Amino acid sequence: LAKTTQPISMDSYEGQEVNITCSHNNIATNDYITWYQQFPSQGPRFIIQGYKTKVTNEVASLFIPADRKSSTLSLPRVSLSDTAVYYCLVGASMDSSYKLIFGSGTRLLVRP
Amino acid sequence: ETGVTQSPTHLIKTRGQQVTLRCSSQSGHNTVSWYQQALGQGPQFIFQYYREEKNGRGNFPPRFSGLQFPNYSSELNVNALELDDSALYLCASSSELAETQYFGPGTRLLVL
Repeated sequence: LAKTTQPISMDSYEGQEVNITCSHNNIATNDYITWYQQFPSQGPRFIIQGYKTKVTNEVASLFIPADRKSSTLSLPRVSLSDTAVYYCLVGASMDSSYKLIFGSGTRLLVRP
Repeated sequence: ETGVTQSPTHLIKTRGQQVTLRCSSQSGHNTVSWYQQALGQGPQFIFQYYREEKNGRGNFPPRFSGLQFPNYSSELNVNALELDDSALYLCASSSELAETQYFGPGTRLLVL
Protein backbone atom coordinates (compact mmCIF):
# COMPACT_ATOMS: atom_id res chain seq x y z
CA LEU A 1 0.00 0.00 0.00
CA ALA A 2 1.54 3.29 -1.05
CA LYS A 3 1.70 5.84 1.71
CA THR A 4 3.44 9.12 2.33
CA THR A 5 4.38 10.35 5.78
CA GLN A 6 5.44 13.83 6.88
CA PRO A 7 5.87 15.49 10.28
CA ILE A 8 2.64 17.16 11.31
CA SER A 9 4.24 20.47 12.26
CA MET A 10 7.54 22.31 12.57
CA ASP A 11 8.57 25.55 14.22
CA SER A 12 11.40 27.76 13.07
CA TYR A 13 12.74 31.32 13.31
CA GLU A 14 13.34 33.83 10.58
CA GLY A 15 16.64 33.29 8.77
CA GLN A 16 17.00 29.65 9.75
CA GLU A 17 17.19 26.69 7.39
CA VAL A 18 14.23 24.32 7.51
CA ASN A 19 14.31 20.72 6.33
CA ILE A 20 11.08 18.77 5.89
CA THR A 21 11.23 15.07 5.08
CA CYS A 22 8.58 12.99 3.37
CA SER A 23 8.69 9.19 3.43
CA HIS A 24 7.08 7.54 0.41
CA ASN A 25 7.21 3.79 -0.12
CA ASN A 26 6.08 2.16 -3.36
CA ILE A 27 6.66 5.25 -5.44
CA ALA A 28 6.11 4.79 -9.18
CA THR A 29 9.38 4.07 -10.97
CA ASN A 30 9.17 6.87 -13.51
CA ASP A 31 7.48 9.56 -11.45
CA TYR A 32 8.91 12.74 -10.09
CA ILE A 33 8.67 13.82 -6.46
CA THR A 34 7.07 17.22 -6.14
CA TRP A 35 6.70 19.62 -3.24
CA TYR A 36 4.00 22.24 -2.81
CA GLN A 37 3.26 25.12 -0.48
CA GLN A 38 -0.31 25.91 0.47
CA PHE A 39 -1.85 28.90 2.20
CA PRO A 40 -5.38 28.77 3.66
CA SER A 41 -8.16 28.66 1.06
CA GLN A 42 -5.71 28.66 -1.86
CA GLY A 43 -4.56 26.01 -4.29
CA PRO A 44 -1.15 24.42 -3.68
CA ARG A 45 1.76 26.36 -5.16
CA PHE A 46 4.64 24.51 -6.83
CA ILE A 47 7.98 24.75 -5.05
CA ILE A 48 10.32 22.16 -6.55
CA GLN A 49 10.39 18.81 -8.32
CA GLY A 50 13.03 16.12 -8.68
CA TYR A 51 13.62 12.53 -9.72
CA LYS A 52 16.82 11.63 -7.86
CA THR A 53 19.87 13.11 -6.11
CA LYS A 54 19.68 16.87 -5.59
CA VAL A 55 17.75 19.64 -7.27
CA THR A 56 18.04 23.34 -6.45
CA ASN A 57 16.09 26.34 -7.62
CA GLU A 58 15.83 29.92 -6.46
CA VAL A 59 13.67 29.12 -3.44
CA ALA A 60 14.50 25.60 -2.27
CA SER A 61 16.55 22.44 -2.59
CA LEU A 62 15.30 18.90 -2.81
CA PHE A 63 17.35 15.91 -1.73
CA ILE A 64 16.36 12.42 -2.90
CA PRO A 65 18.33 9.30 -1.88
CA ALA A 66 19.09 6.54 -4.36
CA ASP A 67 16.21 4.31 -3.19
CA ARG A 68 13.75 7.21 -3.67
CA LYS A 69 11.77 6.14 -0.61
CA SER A 70 12.06 9.56 0.94
CA SER A 71 12.78 13.14 0.00
CA THR A 72 13.80 16.22 1.94
CA LEU A 73 12.72 19.73 1.12
CA SER A 74 15.20 22.34 2.29
CA LEU A 75 14.19 25.98 2.65
CA PRO A 76 17.48 27.88 3.10
CA ARG A 77 16.51 31.03 5.00
CA VAL A 78 12.87 31.13 5.97
CA SER A 79 10.89 34.31 6.47
CA LEU A 80 7.56 34.97 8.13
CA SER A 81 5.82 34.63 4.76
CA ASP A 82 6.97 31.00 4.55
CA THR A 83 4.47 30.10 7.27
CA ALA A 84 2.25 27.63 5.41
CA VAL A 85 1.51 23.94 4.95
CA TYR A 86 4.00 21.98 2.85
CA TYR A 87 3.09 18.82 0.97
CA CYS A 88 5.00 16.21 -0.97
CA LEU A 89 3.30 14.58 -3.96
CA VAL A 90 4.25 11.28 -5.55
CA GLY A 91 2.75 8.92 -8.08
CA ALA A 92 2.17 5.25 -7.32
CA SER A 93 0.70 2.21 -9.02
CA MET A 94 -1.84 0.54 -6.76
CA ASP A 95 -4.49 -2.07 -7.54
CA SER A 96 -3.52 -1.94 -11.22
CA SER A 97 -4.33 1.76 -11.25
CA TYR A 98 -2.21 4.87 -11.21
CA LYS A 99 -2.74 7.20 -8.27
CA LEU A 100 -1.29 10.49 -7.15
CA ILE A 101 -0.69 10.66 -3.44
CA PHE A 102 -0.19 13.77 -1.36
CA GLY A 103 1.57 13.60 1.95
CA SER A 104 -0.37 14.48 5.07
CA GLY A 105 1.22 17.92 5.08
CA THR A 106 3.64 19.70 7.41
CA ARG A 107 2.46 22.89 9.01
CA LEU A 108 5.46 25.22 9.25
CA LEU A 109 5.34 28.17 11.63
CA VAL A 110 8.08 30.77 11.24
CA ARG A 111 8.53 33.04 14.23
CA PRO A 112 10.23 36.47 14.25
CA GLU B 1 -0.27 32.76 -20.54
CA THR B 2 -3.23 32.13 -18.25
CA GLY B 3 -2.98 29.70 -15.40
CA VAL B 4 -5.46 27.07 -14.31
CA THR B 5 -8.91 28.48 -13.70
CA GLN B 6 -11.86 26.87 -11.95
CA SER B 7 -15.54 27.71 -11.76
CA PRO B 8 -17.50 28.40 -9.77
CA THR B 9 -15.41 29.68 -6.85
CA HIS B 10 -18.05 28.79 -4.29
CA LEU B 11 -21.14 26.62 -4.38
CA ILE B 12 -23.84 25.59 -1.92
CA LYS B 13 -25.92 22.46 -2.56
CA THR B 14 -28.22 20.23 -0.56
CA ARG B 15 -27.93 16.50 0.04
CA GLY B 16 -28.97 14.38 -2.90
CA GLN B 17 -28.33 17.07 -5.51
CA GLN B 18 -25.84 16.88 -8.33
CA VAL B 19 -23.00 19.29 -9.05
CA THR B 20 -20.67 20.00 -11.96
CA LEU B 21 -17.35 21.73 -11.42
CA ARG B 22 -15.28 23.07 -14.28
CA CYS B 23 -11.58 23.48 -14.89
CA SER B 24 -9.69 25.19 -17.68
CA SER B 25 -6.18 23.89 -17.96
CA GLN B 26 -3.14 26.08 -18.46
CA SER B 27 -2.35 26.86 -22.08
CA GLY B 28 -0.44 24.00 -23.70
CA HIS B 29 -1.34 21.47 -21.01
CA ASN B 30 -3.01 18.16 -21.91
CA THR B 31 -3.28 16.51 -18.50
CA VAL B 32 -5.79 17.40 -15.79
CA SER B 33 -6.07 15.97 -12.28
CA TRP B 34 -8.82 16.50 -9.72
CA TYR B 35 -8.44 16.46 -5.96
CA GLN B 36 -10.74 16.78 -2.96
CA GLN B 37 -9.40 18.61 0.07
CA ALA B 38 -11.45 18.45 3.25
CA LEU B 39 -10.86 21.12 5.86
CA GLY B 40 -7.55 20.57 7.62
CA GLN B 41 -6.60 17.63 5.43
CA GLY B 42 -4.27 17.08 2.50
CA PRO B 43 -5.64 16.84 -1.05
CA GLN B 44 -7.01 13.42 -2.01
CA PHE B 45 -6.65 12.26 -5.61
CA ILE B 46 -9.95 11.73 -7.42
CA PHE B 47 -8.82 11.01 -10.99
CA GLN B 48 -6.61 12.16 -13.82
CA TYR B 49 -7.26 12.67 -17.52
CA TYR B 50 -4.63 12.63 -20.23
CA ARG B 51 -5.62 13.61 -23.78
CA GLU B 52 -9.30 12.90 -23.01
CA GLU B 53 -8.61 9.44 -21.54
CA LYS B 54 -8.75 8.59 -17.84
CA ASN B 55 -5.25 7.74 -16.64
CA GLY B 56 -5.84 6.92 -12.99
CA ARG B 57 -8.43 6.98 -10.25
CA GLY B 58 -8.34 7.37 -6.48
CA ASN B 59 -10.57 5.73 -3.91
CA PHE B 60 -13.76 7.62 -4.65
CA PRO B 61 -17.18 6.07 -5.34
CA PRO B 62 -18.63 5.95 -8.89
CA ARG B 63 -20.87 8.95 -8.17
CA PHE B 64 -17.68 10.98 -8.74
CA SER B 65 -17.24 11.11 -12.49
CA GLY B 66 -15.55 13.35 -14.97
CA LEU B 67 -14.46 13.99 -18.48
CA GLN B 68 -11.93 15.95 -20.46
CA PHE B 69 -12.81 17.88 -23.59
CA PRO B 70 -10.80 18.18 -26.83
CA ASN B 71 -9.48 21.57 -25.67
CA TYR B 72 -8.26 19.74 -22.52
CA SER B 73 -10.60 21.55 -20.16
CA SER B 74 -12.33 19.22 -17.73
CA GLU B 75 -15.42 18.68 -15.64
CA LEU B 76 -15.95 16.92 -12.33
CA ASN B 77 -19.47 15.67 -11.69
CA VAL B 78 -20.68 14.51 -8.31
CA ASN B 79 -24.09 12.84 -8.03
CA ALA B 80 -26.21 12.21 -4.94
CA LEU B 81 -24.28 14.70 -2.84
CA GLU B 82 -23.54 13.81 0.77
CA LEU B 83 -22.60 16.08 3.65
CA ASP B 84 -19.05 14.68 3.62
CA ASP B 85 -18.61 15.93 0.06
CA SER B 86 -18.21 19.42 1.50
CA ALA B 87 -14.64 20.34 0.62
CA LEU B 88 -12.32 22.38 -1.56
CA TYR B 89 -12.12 20.77 -5.00
CA LEU B 90 -8.82 21.37 -6.72
CA CYS B 91 -7.90 20.98 -10.35
CA ALA B 92 -4.34 20.80 -11.61
CA SER B 93 -2.93 20.66 -15.11
CA SER B 94 0.41 19.61 -16.54
CA SER B 95 2.06 19.65 -19.94
CA GLU B 96 2.43 15.87 -20.02
CA LEU B 97 1.93 12.89 -17.73
CA ALA B 98 4.26 12.95 -14.71
CA GLU B 99 5.25 16.56 -15.40
CA THR B 100 4.78 19.35 -12.87
CA GLN B 101 1.16 19.96 -11.94
CA TYR B 102 -0.04 23.52 -11.53
CA PHE B 103 -3.11 24.08 -9.42
CA GLY B 104 -6.10 26.30 -9.78
CA PRO B 105 -7.60 28.24 -6.86
CA GLY B 106 -10.22 25.57 -6.20
CA THR B 107 -13.99 25.44 -5.86
CA ARG B 108 -15.37 25.49 -2.34
CA LEU B 109 -18.42 23.19 -2.15
CA LEU B 110 -20.73 23.21 0.85
CA VAL B 111 -23.39 20.50 1.10
CA LEU B 112 -26.22 21.20 3.51
